Amino acid sequence: SQKIEQNSEALNIQEGKTATLTCNYTNYSPAYLQWYRQDPGRGPVFLLLIRENEKEKRKERLKVTFDTTLKQSLFHITASQPADSATYLCALLLNQAGTALIFGKGTTLSVSS
Amino acid sequence: NAGVMQNPRHLVRRRGQEARLRCSPMKGHSHVYWYRQLPEEGLKFMVYLQKENIIDESGMPKERFSAEFPKEGPSILRIQQVVRGDSAAYFCASSPAVQTVSGNTIYFGEGSWLTVV
Repeated sequence: SQKIEQNSEALNIQEGKTATLTCNYTNYSPAYLQWYRQDPGRGPVFLLLIRENEKEKRKERLKVTFDTTLKQSLFHITASQPADSATYLCALLLNQAGTALIFGKGTTLSVSS
Repeated sequence: NAGVMQNPRHLVRRRGQEARLRCSPMKGHSHVYWYRQLPEEGLKFMVYLQKENIIDESGMPKERFSAEFPKEGPSILRIQQVVRGDSAAYFCASSPAVQTVSGNTIYFGEGSWLTVV
């Protein structure tokens, strides 16, 4: 069965540094991978989608890479700020019908000033 | 343009009672998804509905759980005879079309937190 893992439960970094979060998956060849942000007590908010034929995607201070050979996506936040502190989730389509996503457990990022 | 609206935000039920969670999708969205987030667990897909139809319920527990999305009104997730293990955050999401491999974005509500005592 499909499996998706986010290697770190928690990541603590200093303000201004680059945060790098990892998402690995097995037994699957997804058409795309998504990243979401979730704040405590709130719903997930979509950030970025990267397709299997894209190596890299950028949005402001965010950068996502997608290596289908390694079955891995990296999520980078450059020039991190305390406001970036949140849990970040990666997600894949669970089936080709597109009816469901499978989520990782998330990595909680804390940016200290 | 209001987002996905869920209510109640917080619900406390005693074991054996029923819980009803409501979700109004974003305007113009006819596809609704329910996900559950247990403590220390990731979001888990439960069910996908279109107006008046359950399309995929592969993630729904076999007993006590049901979902509907009537022609008029919000989508309802119903949990009968709740047990402590049902305590979780239940998230609804909506999209204008099914996700498919093209990756239509889904939009999540703020969730309904169910506590069973």
